[in-house]
Amino acid sequence: QSPLTQPRSVSGSPGQSVTISCTGTISDVGAYNYVSWYQQHPDKAPKLIIYDVNKRPSGVPDRFSGSKSGNTASLIISGLQAEDEADYYCCSYEGTNTYDVFGPGTKVTVL
Amino acid sequence: QVHLVESGGGVVQPGRSLRLSCAASGFTFSSYGIHWVRQAPGKGLEWVAVISYDGSDQYYSDSVKGRFTISRDNSKNTVYLQMNSLRAGDTAVYYCAKDVWSGSSTRQFEYWGQGTLVTVSS
Repeated sequence: QSPLTQPRSVSGSPGQSVTISCTGTISDVGAYNYVSWYQQHPDKAPKLIIYDVNKRPSGVPDRFSGSKSGNTASLIISGLQAEDEADYYCCSYEGTNTYDVFGPGTKVTVL
Repeated sequence: QVHLVESGGGVVQPGRSLRLSCAASGFTFSSYGIHWVRQAPGKGLEWVAVISYDGSDQYYSDSVKGRFTISRDNSKNTVYLQMNSLRAGDTAVYYCAKDVWSGSSTRQFEYWGQGTLVTVSS
């Protein structure tokens, strides 16, 4: 059982914005600014899209952004595009490297 | 250009062993922690283990502790995952991944390999 919670699915029309929440605890999301987000298309390896809560790796479109408030982190996808349809996972550092801190994943559907 | 290439997966009987390898290139290998993350068929991601940049520290998830061992050879730019006493529940695609930051691991995975499938079945 994951200590992080995410909505099972979110959907939006092209051009709309969607937000995926990732709720943890004071021991992980709330304690560190090491929250990351991953995009995974079917049968592909995950891809890092946000790290350190709100930083984008080179090459990731700026329609992807991240934020955090208390024990909850959020991924916002603005101007949704067809290729954004994928599974999204959050992950948080928890200081001890002893338990799994991936969220269960959120399926984003572009209507 | 960073590359991580996993190998060593396959079909193995319950209780047997398997060793996975992760060959890295394109970055200063000896400066970064390397993780193993797995994904069972149709399921989410599960962190498995991490080894520090110099190999001095290793950490494991509770589900594999005592059965799996992570190691690295910085002269060969390779990380290994020795998996013993395999169970059906270990069936998954196993990915190796490089940490974002050099030095101490922050459990953020910048680059991933393509994965290698391990199937535990009689």
